[in-house]
Amino acid sequence: KNQVEQSPQSLIILEGKNCTLQCNYTVSPFSNLRWYKQDTGRGPVSLTIMTFSENTKSNGRYTATLDADTKQSSLHITASQLSDSASYICVVTGGSYIPTFGRGTSLIVHP
Amino acid sequence: DTEVTQTPKHLVMGMTNKKSLKCEQHMGHRAMYWYKQKAKKPPELMFVYSYEKLSINESVPSRFSPECPNSSLLNLHLHALQPEDSALYLCASSQELAGTGYGYTFGSGTRLTVV
Repeated sequence: KNQVEQSPQSLIILEGKNCTLQCNYTVSPFSNLRWYKQDTGRGPVSLTIMTFSENTKSNGRYTATLDADTKQSSLHITASQLSDSASYICVVTGGSYIPTFGRGTSLIVHP
Repeated sequence: DTEVTQTPKHLVMGMTNKKSLKCEQHMGHRAMYWYKQKAKKPPELMFVYSYEKLSINESVPSRFSPECPNSSLLNLHLHALQPEDSALYLCASSQELAGTGYGYTFGSGTRLTVV
């Protein structure tokens, strides 16, 4: 069964600090992996998308990595801001073209 | 235009009402999706349309009825809903079906409350 596991479930950090969120998946075959940011009550917004051949991709203060051999991805947030408080969702798509969603990491940034 | 627009943003309806959720995109995407999301849970896929044809119905109750009138519009007709159907309903679109990796864009959602 295709699964996407994210850790930690929740995280509290101080403004200006860095943090790293983890995503492990069992989806096979693999097509792509996306990280989304979702504010409460809003739709997810895409941060990065990576295919099999890509192992790192940046979008401003967000940097995603992918290790397709170990089926792991991480999202690193640099110099966190209060507006980074949100849920971060890892989504993996395989051969069935139906995305598998992780349960998300809830990030709270305190001043 | 790089957005998926959903209306209304909020909807409160009684269990005997009939209402519709609307979703629109002008990115030329040929696949469109409806998701249901409960609080603190990941989105659950409901329906997938590809080239205006229903491709997937994830065993959704018949009180939810999707419609794709053209390549830019996706509707979700609601009738005789239950309070447990209260949730955030998300529309998404992609150039083709999601497995190809082509951009997958979500709308801002409709917050539905059934009373």
